[in-house]
Amino acid sequence: QKEVEQNSGPLSVPEGAIASLNCTYSDRGSQSFFWYRQYSGKSPELIMFIYSNGDKEDGRFTAQLNKASQYVSLLIRDSQPSDSATYLCAVRGPATGFQKLVFGTGTRLLVSP
Amino acid sequence: EAGVAQSPRYKIIEKRQSVAFWCNPISGHATLYWYQQILGQGPKLLIQFQNNGVVDDSQLPKDRFSAERLKGVDSTLKIQPAKLEDSAVYLCASSVRRGAQETQYFGPGTRLLVL
Repeated sequence: QKEVEQNSGPLSVPEGAIASLNCTYSDRGSQSFFWYRQYSGKSPELIMFIYSNGDKEDGRFTAQLNKASQYVSLLIRDSQPSDSATYLCAVRGPATGFQKLVFGTGTRLLVSP
Repeated sequence: EAGVAQSPRYKIIEKRQSVAFWCNPISGHATLYWYQQILGQGPKLLIQFQNNGVVDDSQLPKDRFSAERLKGVDSTLKIQPAKLEDSAVYLCASSVRRGAQETQYFGPGTRLLVL
């Protein structure tokens, strides 16, 4: 079983719609969860992080975490063509010590005008 | 604040040759990471430094890859000899921990093609 799993996509949504990106992880001890956006040929860029169960909102982005289900998601409201990119989910273990960040393979999002 | 710097941006070599990449982290960031990202995959951690000490190099192919961060600032990653499967983007990232929070910031990467 992969440590962090994402559907590779592509996920296609029309402009203005809500895009929902999902991620599951295998390590129940994971404490920190990150969403990175990566445009083609560019490096990953941090969008959001979440530590606690529930929702965290930042502008058009909402991260949702359910530790019991080992599930984290990213919602993008009012999707724009400029949101078209690969979205990487990353997970880190307990806050103590030097726990590495484990990335999923990413979900490619396509927003059509 | 300047971001993570990497050079070169692109490199083409033949198999069995050697290559070196350089990274300068964000000023004040004690932790530095090297990742390998193969096309269509997520970044995979190769090595993590805390200041000039190695914290995690469990996924570094030590028979051909080496990395150092001698003065706790910039770092080099070397591949010798290169194989075709080393073709990838090599990403450097740095981070600083504030309490329980630690966020990594990536450099632009070095795109390596091994022929």
